[in-house]
Amino acid sequence: DSGVTQTPKHLITATGQRVTLRCSPRSGDLSVYWYQQSLDQGLQFLIQYYNGEERAKGNILERFSAQQFPDLHSELNLSSLELGDSALYFCASSVEVGEETQYFGPGTRLLVL
Amino acid sequence: AQTVTQSQPEMSVQEAETVTLSCTYDTSESDYYLFWYKQPPSRQMILVIRQEAYKQQNATENRFSVNFQKAAKSFSLKISDSQLGDAAMYFCAYRSGDTLAGSYQLTFGKGTKLSVIP
Repeated sequence: DSGVTQTPKHLITATGQRVTLRCSPRSGDLSVYWYQQSLDQGLQFLIQYYNGEERAKGNILERFSAQQFPDLHSELNLSSLELGDSALYFCASSVEVGEETQYFGPGTRLLVL
Repeated sequence: AQTVTQSQPEMSVQEAETVTLSCTYDTSESDYYLFWYKQPPSRQMILVIRQEAYKQQNATENRFSVNFQKAAKSFSLKISDSQLGDAAMYFCAYRSGDTLAGSYQLTFGKGTKLSVIP
């Protein structure tokens, strides 16, 4: 158990809908990262937050957004969902922005029908 | 942009034997970090081992060790005394980022599926 929690574990929804994925980092970790794992794209970095501020953006679609709250938990919002958004979404955290190691949560499996 | 290549989509090893998984990467940076993550059927991403590029000594963690060849941009993972629980997808990852901006991300290879034969 990495100490990173993600909810929900599974999510089934329809095209066009909007969902919110939640992540609680390890106690004391200030930096949160979101990754998407899909069959065709593999594991891809989406976005990084540090202490509430966005720090880095990867291949994140405009339909997706994220934020990190004062209690350091983070949410990833996915809207206008398409079939291709079906994937495993991971949250990871690290202590400081320069901390080398990212610890991953168990992931949220999203299925868009 | 950094790229990470794992050329072996699948590998198998006999229980108690040794296996080596390959990884190469492309970067123009001189200081960076490399990682191996394990993803068992549960889909959890588990850190196996990490290597700092500025360290010449290869990292080891119990039965897991790496062969880091900086000039060749190669970072292979050796698993000794393979156990059934080692069966998983193994991902090589490169940490890139901007220290001044405090922005970091991991770039992953496509993974190697390791099977352990009893």
